[in-house]
Amino acid sequence: EDKVVQSPLSLVVHEGDTVTLNCSYEVTNFRSLLWYKQEKKAPTFLFMLTSSGIEKKSGRLSSILDKKELFSILNITATQTGDSAVYLCAVNGGSNYKLTFGKGTLLTVNP
Amino acid sequence: GAVVSQHPSRVICKSGTSVKIECRSLDFQATTMFWYRQFPKQSLMLMATSNEGSKATYEQGVEKDKFLINHASLTLSTLTVTSAHPEDSSFYICSAGGVAGASGNEQFFGPGTRLTVL
Repeated sequence: EDKVVQSPLSLVVHEGDTVTLNCSYEVTNFRSLLWYKQEKKAPTFLFMLTSSGIEKKSGRLSSILDKKELFSILNITATQTGDSAVYLCAVNGGSNYKLTFGKGTLLTVNP
Repeated sequence: GAVVSQHPSRVICKSGTSVKIECRSLDFQATTMFWYRQFPKQSLMLMATSNEGSKATYEQGVEKDKFLINHASLTLSTLTVTSAHPEDSSFYICSAGGVAGASGNEQFFGPGTRLTVL
């Protein structure tokens, strides 16, 4: 059974801090790893990673994948209160686009 | 990007009634749609995978006779919660995969439906 573990489960920081969120996984047939941001409604897509060592970047957010060690990190620099959300990591481990989600990291950014 | 809508966004019903939730892909066709359930402070749990024109594949522990899924076209999937009970109260989210022009691994999520069963 595919498994995704995220850490920490929750994190409280001050505006301007840099945070690193972790995601480790075990899948039988890895295809891709995805990061989502979830506020009050459904998740919104951030990144999809398929290759090791290639950093994906979007503004203050970046992510990288290590397929040898089976983990990914999501970095957020110069955090803002609007970054407060649950960040979900998911892995596509087979056919038919099926995703297995981690429990998420609840990030709270205080002013 | 691809947009997925859900209707209704919120529903409150009495115990024993059935509730239908619609999931539509707007301006694109999706060969596969997924239905998730999310309880407070928990992650998304996949309930079932539906492919257009065929029977849905349910995850272990999900009662197929209770959660009826119909995927009649490439733009519409419905989830019917039959004889709903308070323990079915949850946030139900659909997503569409297999989108033409997308990477092939990405899913596009609907905004979710908050179900409250009294």
